[in-house]
Amino acid sequence: DTGVSQDPRHKITKRGQNVTFRCDPISEHNRLYWYRQTLGQGPEFLTYFQNEAQLEKSRLLSDRFSAERPKGSFSTLEIQRTEQGDSAMYLCASSFSPGEGLYEQYFGPGTRLTVT
Amino acid sequence: AQTVTQSQPEMSVQEAETVTLSCTYDTSESDYYLFWYKQPPSRQMILVIRQEAYKQQNATENRFSVNFQKAAKSFSLKISDSQLGDAAMYFCAPLGTSGSRLTFGEGTQLTVNP
Repeated sequence: DTGVSQDPRHKITKRGQNVTFRCDPISEHNRLYWYRQTLGQGPEFLTYFQNEAQLEKSRLLSDRFSAERPKGSFSTLEIQRTEQGDSAMYLCASSFSPGEGLYEQYFGPGTRLTVT
Repeated sequence: AQTVTQSQPEMSVQEAETVTLSCTYDTSESDYYLFWYKQPPSRQMILVIRQEAYKQQNATENRFSVNFQKAAKSFSLKISDSQLGDAAMYFCAPLGTSGSRLTFGEGTQLTVNP
């Protein structure tokens, strides 16, 4: 399977705990994106990387959230001191952007986070 | 900045018939792309079709086609010969060339009746 993969698929945690999610993009894709989706809503952009550089962050990405892509391949999204409002599906997507034009984003299956 | 309005929260269609999902958007970008994604109950987002705003010709992908009206900022999706597997939430999403964030609407839940 050469699609975008995410791990874990489901995570249940208690309020106040830290959680970390991983995303592995399609291998030749240089851009990686994180989105958050709550029930009944469309996904909302959180942040994106081009190679290892984090180029844009949404205001939704509070100080408790941090994302990394240290070697320009997989990425991690960490949420510290989780709150019940963090319960959502966290989606990762990747695309190939060679510098001229932008290409469609391909999504992974998501990580469903439940904060109790 | 971009905004998206999908005015039909729910739509239904009989199998083998045609349905059109509407989308209007607003953008400050001079050049951009438009996408339709579907999200089945399994929740993995799947790309359906894409349209470059500089192209006048409407995109077509098998049973899926768009009606792109740039001046009206309208981007509707037509599904022909609807199949049971088309049942999903459909999202319209513009993408500006100066940035990389997709902006999603609230979606249209499509039901296909046998």
